[in-house]
Amino acid sequence: GAGVSQSPRYKVAKRGQDVALRCDPISGHVSLFWYQQALGQGPEFLTYFQNEAQLDKSGLPSDRFFAERPEGSVSTLKIQRTQQEDSAVYLCASSQGVRLEQFFGPGTRLTVL
Amino acid sequence: AQTVTQSQPEMSVQEAETVTLSCTYDTSESDYYLFWYKQPPSRQMILVIRQEAYKQQNATENRFSVNFQKAAKSFSLKISDSQLGDAAMYFCASSNYGGSQGNLIFGKGTKLSVKP
Repeated sequence: GAGVSQSPRYKVAKRGQDVALRCDPISGHVSLFWYQQALGQGPEFLTYFQNEAQLDKSGLPSDRFFAERPEGSVSTLKIQRTQQEDSAVYLCASSQGVRLEQFFGPGTRLTVL
Repeated sequence: AQTVTQSQPEMSVQEAETVTLSCTYDTSESDYYLFWYKQPPSRQMILVIRQEAYKQQNATENRFSVNFQKAAKSFSLKISDSQLGDAAMYFCASSNYGGSQGNLIFGKGTKLSVKP
């Protein structure tokens, strides 16, 4: 079956613009995670959903970052008033449950000029 | 706070040889898993192998095996009979399940090159 997909794959934004990044998890996966991967670094946790409930948003770096998963499937990560330090690859992962394997999407590479 | 450390930014191995990637971690939890993920250039991250902390036996997956030293908080990955397709970034990660959601904590990664 289809894996985790993310769109767009690449996004260039001018500083101050708002962006929205989409994640389509594997069908039936209840757990969904967002990670941020800066250049040359490992991914860092941003937020976690179980179905439509956002159970952990402790990794979101500022109140400019907002995530939602209104129907328990597709998720959107929104960044308002983008800054240069937001430039990174944003990874989405889904799993059937907390202790089960996380499957990653290809990521969205965000460049803020 | 939980941390994962990979002390080798880059490693190189000759095709068909064996290479070991190092990883140490720090956690106060008793219920956790450890993982090795592979991230090929411009491709998505895939799970290579995982180890449940309560299991003493080291996990193996074909050419990939781990050396899990719980007391030393060490979790190294051994790749045997290295192939050109093994070239990638390798990330060590841990995940706590005691009261958390199971998000992964990653190291900074080791870039593995395979020479023909």
